[in-house]
Amino acid sequence: DIQMTQSPSSLSASVGDRVTITCRASQGIRDDLGWYQQKPGKAPKRLIYAASSLQSGVPSRFSGGGSGTEFTLTISSLQPDDFATYYCLQHNIYPRTFGQGTKVEIK
Amino acid sequence: QVQLQESGPGLVKPSQTLSLTCTVSGGSITTSGYYWSWIRQLPGKGLEWIGYIYYSGTTHYNPSLRSRVTISVERSKNQFSLKLSSVTAADTAVYYCARDDYGSGRGLDFWGQGTLVTVSS
Repeated sequence: DIQMTQSPSSLSASVGDRVTITCRASQGIRDDLGWYQQKPGKAPKRLIYAASSLQSGVPSRFSGGGSGTEFTLTISSLQPDDFATYYCLQHNIYPRTFGQGTKVEIK
Repeated sequence: QVQLQESGPGLVKPSQTLSLTCTVSGGSITTSGYYWSWIRQLPGKGLEWIGYIYYSGTTHYNPSLRSRVTISVERSKNQFSLKLSSVTAADTAVYYCARDDYGSGRGLDFWGQGTLVTVSS
């Protein structure tokens, strides 16, 4: 299985801050990575696919980058609606595997 | 737009079989290029991919659960189902169904809202 290591596991930030979350794959996965946002009691919502493509309807303050084994999700200016848990997911091979999540909390 | 909805018992006894169904609307389950998947989230923890089925019946399961999992499809009802046998408290989780857009290589795009299954006597 491909192991996905996400960091940090949690962070505290203020509205307006720039936030970056990193996901590392245990082997190369090209750009076969998505980023998801999950709020309590809700299903994950996809923000980014193919490492850097913005899902339709997702605000442009979200961006993704990277390829191979290292990937980033950046929120350029954190908004109140962005406080949530974020997961990466590799869809290069089966079984699909997720990062362990990054909880973004209000400072 | 495609929508998915999980249904099934919210409480299962230990050693019994967990059974859930996912109903797909807004699109056909027989459209080529999509795998129909199950994922679960243990309480307060991360996400675990369980497996998928293609409309033809081809399946692929997570090796960690393979011995206990069966995923099936009912094309006439636009549904697919999950069975997990010999459950224990460790299988208590929110179970999600989702569409895997493998054809365009874009991964899991549409998800159901999830259903909590508790394993308890």
